[in-house]
Amino acid sequence: EPEVTQTPSHQVTQMGQEVILRCVPISNHLYFYWYRQILGQKVEFLVSFYNNEISEKSEIFDDQFSVERPDGSNFTLKIRSTKLEDSAMYFCASRGGRPSGEQYFGPGTRLTVT
Amino acid sequence: GESVGLHLPTLSVQEGDNSIINCAYSNSASDYFIWYKQESGKGPQFIIDIRSNMDKRQGQRVTVLLNKTVKHLSLQIAATQPGDSAVYFCAESTSGTYKYIFGTGTRLKVLA
Repeated sequence: EPEVTQTPSHQVTQMGQEVILRCVPISNHLYFYWYRQILGQKVEFLVSFYNNEISEKSEIFDDQFSVERPDGSNFTLKIRSTKLEDSAMYFCASRGGRPSGEQYFGPGTRLTVT
Repeated sequence: GESVGLHLPTLSVQEGDNSIINCAYSNSASDYFIWYKQESGKGPQFIIDIRSNMDKRQGQRVTVLLNKTVKHLSLQIAATQPGDSAVYFCAESTSGTYKYIFGTGTRLKVLA
């Protein structure tokens, strides 16, 4: 069964450093997403990406964040200058071409900013 | 509105009993609803979905009920098993948007 994969599983970085979180969505999917989950809290939407551009983003997704689909398979989330409050689980998700279809989530990357 | 907290509501059920997990949503324009299961250290796993033109949808051992009048969603799990222990989230979405809005979550504990 196809699945979304994410690397690394755990990333530790110092405040102010740049991090890139990587995702490989399901191969025939067209919509891509990043969510985050602060420990013990609910999953929060960050950004959606379709047709090589951002289609929607939340207020969390400020200028420090960017997304990219550098090739036909990877989807990345970059945080330029990490802050302590960026520590969270970051989930990538993808969806096929159907309107309002279910999103398939990856296992997440735990980001720890020290 | 949405509430966020460190303490999830917990539902404890005996193995073999039925479980009912509830969720209230706030956006009356939402027209697609999804239940996800999240086990410790893993990403959300799709369980079942329902569109706003339906009141009920059944899957294998799970049923989702939608009451649009009171903006309430429930997930029923029949014959709950130890493997059902997890945090369950509802999520809502609106046509024309791309994002899911997740609820706070309920922790389900299955007692042997």
